Amino acid sequence: DARVTQTPRHKVTEMGQEVTMRCQPILGHNTVFWYRQTMMQGLELLAYFRNRAPLDDSGMPKDRFSAEMPDATLATLKIQPSEPRDSAVYFCASGLVLGGRTYNEQFFGPGTRLTVL
Amino acid sequence: EDKVVQSPLSLVVHEGDTVTLNCSYEVTNFRSLLWYKQEKKAPTFLFMLTSSGIEKKSGRLSSILDKKELFSILNITATQTGDSAVYLCAVGETSGSRLTFGEGTQLTVNP
Repeated sequence: DARVTQTPRHKVTEMGQEVTMRCQPILGHNTVFWYRQTMMQGLELLAYFRNRAPLDDSGMPKDRFSAEMPDATLATLKIQPSEPRDSAVYFCASGLVLGGRTYNEQFFGPGTRLTVL
Repeated sequence: EDKVVQSPLSLVVHEGDTVTLNCSYEVTNFRSLLWYKQEKKAPTFLFMLTSSGIEKKSGRLSSILDKKELFSILNITATQTGDSAVYLCAVGETSGSRLTFGEGTQLTVNP
């Protein structure tokens, strides 16, 4: 059953604390995306990776957010220090680019609902 | 800057009605347009359209793309309460895998 998994599913933390969200992309997918969704802003792209290399992180506040792919089966998104305005649902999605062809379909994980008090 | 605009932003209908959701876009290097359905969880994929004029169908849902006029429509016939969701349109570029999303259309189907 191929699907994107994310942990934790819910996280409540206090302002100033570090938050780490994890994502396991679908096996064989080589592109990973981090999105944030809020009522006000809708779905926003924060960063994405191909073959573990960051391609675009322009959507991410650089001073407090960082995204990495320690290996092909794990992507992490870290917020340090967290602020109440970071409260949102964070989705990870994975996709496949093969042989120079771009397959735009992305498969979303269940999301991490983050609440920063 | 790439832009995807969906209309209407919200729609309330009765079961059995037919609805048409709209998506227009401005993207530098268009490759494909995708439709997603989002209920109270993650978006789930519905359709990917790359060629003009070819309708994609899945049950009561269908979609078509017009690359000349830069828009797509998503039709749902004989709506059911289970169709209530936010429908997201996204456009992908040739230069990579990145998707630009619209704001979504909130569809509510009442019994």
